[in-house]
Amino acid sequence: EAGVVQSPRYKIIEKKQPVAFWCNPISGHNTLYWYRQNLGQGPELLIRYENEEAVDDSQLPKDRFSAERLKGVDSTLKIQPAELGDSAVYLCASSSRRGGYEQYFGPGTRLTVT
Amino acid sequence: AQTVTQSQPEMSVQEAETVTLSCTYDTSESDYYLFWYKQPPSRQMILVIRQEAYKQQNATENRFSVNFQKAAKSFSLKISDSQLGDAAMYFCACMNRDDKIIFGKGTRLHILP
Repeated sequence: EAGVVQSPRYKIIEKKQPVAFWCNPISGHNTLYWYRQNLGQGPELLIRYENEEAVDDSQLPKDRFSAERLKGVDSTLKIQPAELGDSAVYLCASSSRRGGYEQYFGPGTRLTVT
Repeated sequence: AQTVTQSQPEMSVQEAETVTLSCTYDTSESDYYLFWYKQPPSRQMILVIRQEAYKQQNATENRFSVNFQKAAKSFSLKISDSQLGDAAMYFCACMNRDDKIIFGKGTRLHILP
């Protein structure tokens, strides 16, 4: 069974440029999470999807961040425009069901904003 | 609001010895879940162990076990017979019934050969 796939693995952009990250969760997993992980810190939840519905986006900086999960499968997280402080690893995770079950994490996208 | 505190930024243990990583949490929920996740260098985060708050029995997974003290809101991870492959960042996390999850800042574990 394939794991959670993310691309790109690394991205370097200049500030004020847009950037997008893509995530393909494990097949059949209805719940999808996007996290931001700063260096030396734990992951911070940005948004959680149940199928195609964003059920928790309270921590998503909506002035510059947006996300979508079309057809309840793949998901894209976008930043426009990027700021220096957005440099971090962006993690995607999926889970087969709600109720405190295991999350399966992707390898992450390391974003560097210069 | 939920909080998770890991007070040990780094720890070291001799190979084959036992080490305990500390975690305290705070939540207003009566029902929640606790996790320990492992993040090896440059590798994906994986689940180590999971505990349901309503279960008094401490969870165990092979060499990994927890000491869950609900009244004290403490959830420590014990690794027995430490191996070189156990070297990683370890994150404690608390999830409420609405699947809202908070991670701690992590503890970097070094295994000394």
